[in-house]
Amino acid sequence: QLQLQESGPGLVKPSETLSLTCTVSGGSISSSDYYWGWIRQPPGKGLEWIGSIYYSGSTYYNPSLKSRVTISGDTSKNQFSLKLSSVTAADTAVYYCARQFYYDGSAYSDCWGQGTLVTVSS
Amino acid sequence: QSVLTQPPSVSAAPGQKVTISCSGSSSNIGNNYVSWYQQLPRTAPKLLIYENNKRPSGIPDRFSGSKSGTSATLGITGLQTGDEADYYCGTWDSSLSAGVFGGGTKLTVL
Repeated sequence: QLQLQESGPGLVKPSETLSLTCTVSGGSISSSDYYWGWIRQPPGKGLEWIGSIYYSGSTYYNPSLKSRVTISGDTSKNQFSLKLSSVTAADTAVYYCARQFYYDGSAYSDCWGQGTLVTVSS
Repeated sequence: QSVLTQPPSVSAAPGQKVTISCSGSSSNIGNNYVSWYQQLPRTAPKLLIYENNKRPSGIPDRFSGSKSGTSATLGITGLQTGDEADYYCGTWDSSLSAGVFGGGTKLTVL
């Protein structure tokens, strides 16, 4: 069955770039049926949608993060990645990768990774 | 401040029914489908409802969803202690061209 697993540093210094990778097994990021995206959750707070990438390379980003976010895909490794630049303590959160379905007004995430905590601190 | 508005908390007794509301606008709920997620303590969110009222395989029919205008509702019947969790609504916002979530509702089964 489909599984997603986040990986990357758990601690990032302020002003540096947060980099995470999501490895997909049991499915292909080259599928035209789905997007692949990132969602985060600051400690004790709610969910925040970060952005998504389609197999073609097209992307959607949260307008509030757009200037700092890049999502890319590596079909040869069946992975997709998140880069968030110029981080501050406000970017401390659990970061989830997820398979996402967008079509004709329908948008949902049907399979999530377990999440990885990234702390921004010097 | 979340784009979608949910009550911070709801509670009900075991076996009872509870509803959780999610309010938005014409740019999100009003013109797009709504999904609902359950987040048990210390776990990743899980899709409960998609396209307003559809349940993924394995989700019991105790969970239901509905939408009217710019609001949506999640209903849970036959409450169990295992239903204690945070519940989030989500949808697409056509003006933002982005996904949006509600702030989450904590369900307590008394």
